[in-house]
Amino acid sequence: LAKTTQPISMDSYEGQEVNITCSHNNIATNDYITWYQQFPSQGPRFIIQGYKTKVTNEVASLFIPADRKSSTLSLPRVSLSDTAVYYCLVGGYSGNTPLVFGKGTRLSVIA
Amino acid sequence: GAVVSQHPSWVICKSGTSVKIECRSLDFQATTMFWYRQFPKQSLMLMATSNEGSKATYEQGVEKDKFLINHASLTLSTLTVTSAHPEDSSFYICSASKQGANTGELFFGEGSRLTVL
Repeated sequence: LAKTTQPISMDSYEGQEVNITCSHNNIATNDYITWYQQFPSQGPRFIIQGYKTKVTNEVASLFIPADRKSSTLSLPRVSLSDTAVYYCLVGGYSGNTPLVFGKGTRLSVIA
Repeated sequence: GAVVSQHPSWVICKSGTSVKIECRSLDFQATTMFWYRQFPKQSLMLMATSNEGSKATYEQGVEKDKFLINHASLTLSTLTVTSAHPEDSSFYICSASKQGANTGELFFGEGSRLTVL
């Protein structure tokens, strides 16, 4: 399973755009990149998933360069409620493959 | 949606007793469920993969006789912590994927906090 590396923590003011980059140099051809958000004492929640180029949904965008060795989660105009730990995971498309969590990025949004 | 529910959400028990945690997929069938544990300010650690109708696959270092996993139906997996000790106190989280879905998205339960006195 591909290992991921993310910044341990990030701070941001409300209203700013936040970009969290994840390195996954050993990503396999059939691996997808998925980002999860976790609040204290809650299970992780799916944010976005992609394979290449750019993916956008109602809460975030995911940018993946051509070599797929990294990815960037972009959160537009963060609010205090976006304070959480964000995990980048790399794994197969099959739901039967477990996801291995790295250390994640602790985002603190400041008023 | 796809909802995964865990019960109980928190439990306190005495050392030496056993505790069962249930994980249910409420509106979908899940042939595979995963169990994780998480210590304070740490990441989730995969404990085991639970397959419906077969034995669970445990990660290295996880005692299968201590953490009993049963996946008797397509909507229910249980984790039993046997002879619990204070070091087993942790946040236990299950996840499941939809059977037949064409996405690798996992749906996570709310977690169960176990405190062993």
